[in-house]
Amino acid sequence: DARVTQTPRDKVTEMGQEVTMRCQPILGHNTVFWYRQTMMQGLELLAYFRNRAPLDDSGMPKDRFSAEMPDATLATLKIQPSEPRDSAVYFCASGLGAPYGYTFGSGTRLTVV
Amino acid sequence: DQQVKQNSPSLSVQEGRISILNCDYTNSMFDYFLWYKKYPAEGPTFLISISSIKDKNEDGRFTVFLNKSAKHLSLHIVPSQPGDSAVYFCAASAGGDKIIFGKGTRLHILP
Repeated sequence: DARVTQTPRDKVTEMGQEVTMRCQPILGHNTVFWYRQTMMQGLELLAYFRNRAPLDDSGMPKDRFSAEMPDATLATLKIQPSEPRDSAVYFCASGLGAPYGYTFGSGTRLTVV
Repeated sequence: DQQVKQNSPSLSVQEGRISILNCDYTNSMFDYFLWYKKYPAEGPTFLISISSIKDKNEDGRFTVFLNKSAKHLSLHIVPSQPGDSAVYFCAASAGGDKIIFGKGTRLHILP
């Protein structure tokens, strides 16, 4: 089965450090999302790309978060500097459009202490 | 402002009975609705979707019903099985790309 691969699986870092999360979408999928799951907010959309072009990053705190797709096989989400309130599970998803559903990775659990 | 609302944080259902999960939305521009299932420590898994031009879509034990006038959809699981215990997310899309999720309903299937 094709899958979305996210690394690292778990990350513990100190406040103020830079964090980079990586995602390998499924080959051929043209739409890639970053979501964040917290207890209070559920699944929040942070950013998404179509054909590697950023379409919407309105859900991201712009001063510290950045999302890029340097090529079709890699999406990155970077936090600099990290803060304790960024602690959450970050999911990447890819697909060909809402009617077909999107495939999610297993997530990166980030803990900022 | 939450555009997709799942007002029941949790639901308990006896094994073998019907589970009904509900979802309300506010944006009349939504044209696709999706249900996802999530186990702990895993990513959400796509279950079933429905276009706004339909009022029902069925896939095995899962059926989604859409009531556009009420801006309401529901997921029926019949019969409920122990493996159905999970968190279920309702999601919606306007224009076929970005999907907005509700906060989820935790379903417990009781033996």
